[in-house]
Parts: sequence; structure tokens; C-alpha cells
Amino acid sequence: SQQGEEDPQALSIQEGENATMNCSYKTSINNLQWYRQNSGRGLVHLILIRSNEREKHSGRLRVTLDTSKKSSSLLITASRAADTASYFCATASGYALNFGKGTSLLVTP
Amino acid sequence: EAGVVQSPRYKIIEKKQPVAFWCNPISGHNTLYWYLQNLGQGPELLIRYENEEAVDDSQLPKDRFSAERLKGVDSTLKIQPAELGDSAVYLCASSLGRYTDTQYFGPGTRLTVL
Repeated sequence: SQQGEEDPQALSIQEGENATMNCSYKTSINNLQWYRQNSGRGLVHLILIRSNEREKHSGRLRVTLDTSKKSSSLLITASRAADTASYFCATASGYALNFGKGTSLLVTP
Repeated sequence: EAGVVQSPRYKIIEKKQPVAFWCNPISGHNTLYWYLQNLGQGPELLIRYENEEAVDDSQLPKDRFSAERLKGVDSTLKIQPAELGDSAVYLCASSLGRYTDTQYFGPGTRLTVL
């Protein structure tokens, strides 16, 4: 089952701009993870944030988690054309990692 | 360190034919996953192995799908017979420990059933 739901479904920005995508989920979680998938490729893990954490940084990525609102956001700063990909949030709950449908990000030069 | 290896990358078959996918996880990773990904969707878990044991196969359509992980390393996912609706990307992933850990994905096998 797909618990996470990303918003927006698609996002188009220019290089240098920031990209923000959101994820909402329904049940309590152990952690929340963000993955990137380039066209025709497998998923690549970006960042993991535990349920007792509120914010985490990794390079140009910033992830926030609000367990009271059951939501998370992924911010990519100073985007590059190479950031063009689909981004998925995945919630670790129950006995599985449940992926959303993803946000498709297009970064144009 | 080598990543998760999958083969074949692409497979085209006619309906009712059998097909098999192979996965070699990252060395030392105890947990192995098979996911199905339809176009425009996120991956959906089919089966999860911890070492040789299938600990979660609730989403695996057992009438036509089967999987095995011999010796707790490589794994094979089989469909017999394939149906048109099985056309999708089949992803294999592995993690060092539990499902809550970071998962490392292979490139996937794109299956087309005609």
C-alpha cells in the first residue's frame, strides 16, 4: 500500500532556484526517507529522518518532519539540471517501507 | 563496493510465457526486497527476505509469482504464466539490517508482456 503522498505531482523550475516538495502520510512512523529516481534507473537514497528528529541537512538538501501534522518536506537549494528526477518519500511503519507516487522535478538551464 | 545487480535489464515476452528475474544484493546485506513499480507510481513491495526466510510475502500474487533466495544471497523472482498486466519495472533492493534501514536499489528489470 502507498501511504505517503507527495505534493506537487510535478514541479518545473530554473537552475539556481530552490525546489520544495511535500509528503503527507497517515499512520505513525519509525522514520521517513527520501529517494531520487532518474529516468529509467533505480532509486537512490537521499536522506533518512527519524521520528524524533525535526530537521536534517545533507549538502544542498534540507528535510523537515512534523509528526503532529504527519508531514515532511524536502528542500533542494540552488538546483541544477542534474537534479531533474522523480523524488519519492517513503515511510517506515508496520513492517514495510511504503513509497508515495513521487514528485517529478524538472530543472531547466 | 558493487551495488545491487539485476538481470536482465529488459525483457519482452508474450502473455502466458514464463519469465524470471535475478538479483545479487550488496555483499553482507541480510535483507532483500522485490518491488514492482508501475509507470507514474512508487515502488510496491512484493516480498521481503531476511537471510533465506521470506518474512513478508503478503503482496505477492502467489498463483503466478514465486521467489526464492537460496543460501541467503542471490534471489530469483519468477512469473508463470505472465499476463498483460504484469508489464512493469521489477526492482530489487537490499539493506544491511531491518526494513527501516536505508535500502539500496538495483537498476530494475523492465518487463513488457505482449
